[in-house]
Amino acid sequence: DQQVKQNSPSLSVQEGRISILNCDYTNSMFDYFLWYKKYPAEGPTFLISISSIKDKNEDGRFTVFLNKSAKHLSLHIVPSQPGDSAVYFCAASANSGYALNFGKGTSLLVTP
Amino acid sequence: SQTIHQWPATLVQPVGSPLSLECTVEGTSNPNLYWYRQAAGRGLQLLFYSVGIGQISSEVPQNLSASRPQDRQFILSSKKLLLSDSGFYLCAWSAGGNLNIQYFGAGTRLSVL
Repeated sequence: DQQVKQNSPSLSVQEGRISILNCDYTNSMFDYFLWYKKYPAEGPTFLISISSIKDKNEDGRFTVFLNKSAKHLSLHIVPSQPGDSAVYFCAASANSGYALNFGKGTSLLVTP
Repeated sequence: SQTIHQWPATLVQPVGSPLSLECTVEGTSNPNLYWYRQAAGRGLQLLFYSVGIGQISSEVPQNLSASRPQDRQFILSSKKLLLSDSGFYLCAWSAGGNLNIQYFGAGTRLSVL
């Protein structure tokens, strides 16, 4: 049962524009959310996270928004750069557990 | 700073052969350790996690096992590989506390033929 869903398998954006990656979750016990970036044949790299007590967290070009009532979060990348081309995974955890529940990922392509 | 090492990077094994993948973490003590698998076209699935030496929790029933013989060493094993064991295996670690940020190794691409 997929508790974290990334419904867009791929996204193409022009360099300099905004990239918006979306993620939905079903488990109301999730209270911590993370985004990872992954290049081919490498392990995922932690990008940014947000606790359920916040609705926004910003780190440079990356901003994560959390809408708890809709069980939805999004990652905004502004401006997008060709080096941002990678697969982005959304993940969620509940305070009582050790597991990270991952979505299937969205492949972002930033074109020059 | 903390680093995580995972090897080998790629592995081709025949069906029925044994498996041993090793993961070590440097620069931290008493980490939580994890093994994930990413099958083709799918997300990351947690296989095992460990909160201390000799403590292993399994998330899904399967043909694999895990062991933690030392504080910063995590091993994934199988006695007899199946075709369905093919995939990309990732080791990860996290510190204790509420913020469960996990840091991943480079992964092992396992092909069972």
